[in-house]
Amino acid sequence: KNQVEQSPQSLIILEGKNCTLQCNYTVSPFSNLRWYKQDTGRGPVSLTIMTFSENTKSNGRYTATLDADTKQSSLHITASQLSDSASYICVVSADYGQNFVFGPGTRLSVLP
Amino acid sequence: NAGVTQTPKFQVLKTGQSMTLQCAQDMNHNSMYWYRQDPGMGLRLIYYSASEGTTDKGEVPNGYNVSRLNKREFSLRLESAAPSQTSVYFCASKGATDYQPQHFGDGTRLSIL
Repeated sequence: KNQVEQSPQSLIILEGKNCTLQCNYTVSPFSNLRWYKQDTGRGPVSLTIMTFSENTKSNGRYTATLDADTKQSSLHITASQLSDSASYICVVSADYGQNFVFGPGTRLSVLP
Repeated sequence: NAGVTQTPKFQVLKTGQSMTLQCAQDMNHNSMYWYRQDPGMGLRLIYYSASEGTTDKGEVPNGYNVSRLNKREFSLRLESAAPSQTSVYFCASKGATDYQPQHFGDGTRLSIL
């Protein structure tokens, strides 16, 4: 069964600190991997999209990595800000179609 | 920049009532989707429409129907609401190529009593 797991479930950090969120997937065939940010009460917003040939993709202070061999991805947030408080969702696209497998998300809280 | 607009934002229904959730996008996207989001779980696909005039079932279609009214609008109907359908419903749209993000609305929070 296609599945996406994320860890940790939740994370609390202080403003200005860095953090890394993890995503493991068992999705086949693999098309691409996406990270979304979801603010409370809002819909998810795309951060990065990576194909199997891309190891790293950055979007400002957000850097995603992908290891297609081990089926793992990470999202690194640098110099966190209060506005980074949100859920971060890992999504894997399967078979180049409409099949998107969503992880449960990691809830990040950035404290002043 | 409206993007994807969902109405209503909140709704409370009684068991057995029916209602339609509305979704419209202004990005000229072919593909549109309906998901539900429940605590501790990833978004699950209810139905999707790859193009105007076509719809297909997703992972959890039971108890729902959809209509792709035109290229802009994709509605989700609950014919006889059940408490298990209490959830947050998200509509999304996506452009033609595989390597494009989905754009989501801000959701409809639905409670079935």
